Amino acid sequence: AQSVTQLDSQVPVFEEAPVELRCNYSSSVSVYLFWYVQYPNQGLQLLLKYLSGSTLVKGINGFEAEFNKSQTSFHLRKPSVHISDTAEYFCAVSGTGGGNKLAFGTGTQLKVEL
Amino acid sequence: GAVVSQHPSWVICKSGTSVKIECRSLDFQATTMFWYRQFPKQSLMLMATSNEGSKATYEQGVEKDKFLINHASLTLSTLTVTSAHPEDSSFYICSQNGASSVIDTQYFGPGTRLTVL
Repeated sequence: AQSVTQLDSQVPVFEEAPVELRCNYSSSVSVYLFWYVQYPNQGLQLLLKYLSGSTLVKGINGFEAEFNKSQTSFHLRKPSVHISDTAEYFCAVSGTGGGNKLAFGTGTQLKVEL
Repeated sequence: GAVVSQHPSWVICKSGTSVKIECRSLDFQATTMFWYRQFPKQSLMLMATSNEGSKATYEQGVEKDKFLINHASLTLSTLTVTSAHPEDSSFYICSQNGASSVIDTQYFGPGTRLTVL
């Protein structure tokens, strides 16, 4: 089984500053990795995903993440955040072997302040 | 990405009643759908995997007789919370895999907020 750890439950940051949301995973098999964003009282929106190929993945809204197999990490970054980026961010992992069950981290609340 | 809808978006019911939540795929046919539950300020927990034309597969600890799942068509899966109690109050979210034969990404519905009084 796969699991995800998001160490930071909350990350406050000023507008236009860079941000990194950390995600580490655990798995004995090859993985797919995902970042989702959730705005209040809404479902999850896919930000980006790593399936294979280039380890640097670019997503929507200016976010990117880098898959680091040796460190079992998939940290999410944005060089300059906006107020509208305030939301809950979830990292998720699944195995590549079918079944496609997603295991989610506990989430990181990104709060962008003026 | 795929477009997934849920109905209702929120529901309030009395303890002991049953509530049905619908999850629809609007732009593709989904053989597999997933149902999650999210308690306030917590992560999503997979409840069950819904397979079109067959029985759902429930995660450990989820009561299949309480959370009835029906996936009668390729565009609709329903979750019925039977004899709901206040502890069932939660945010229920469904997801689908999309049209690709390579199942790799889940697309989520907007969720249903259930409040049991």
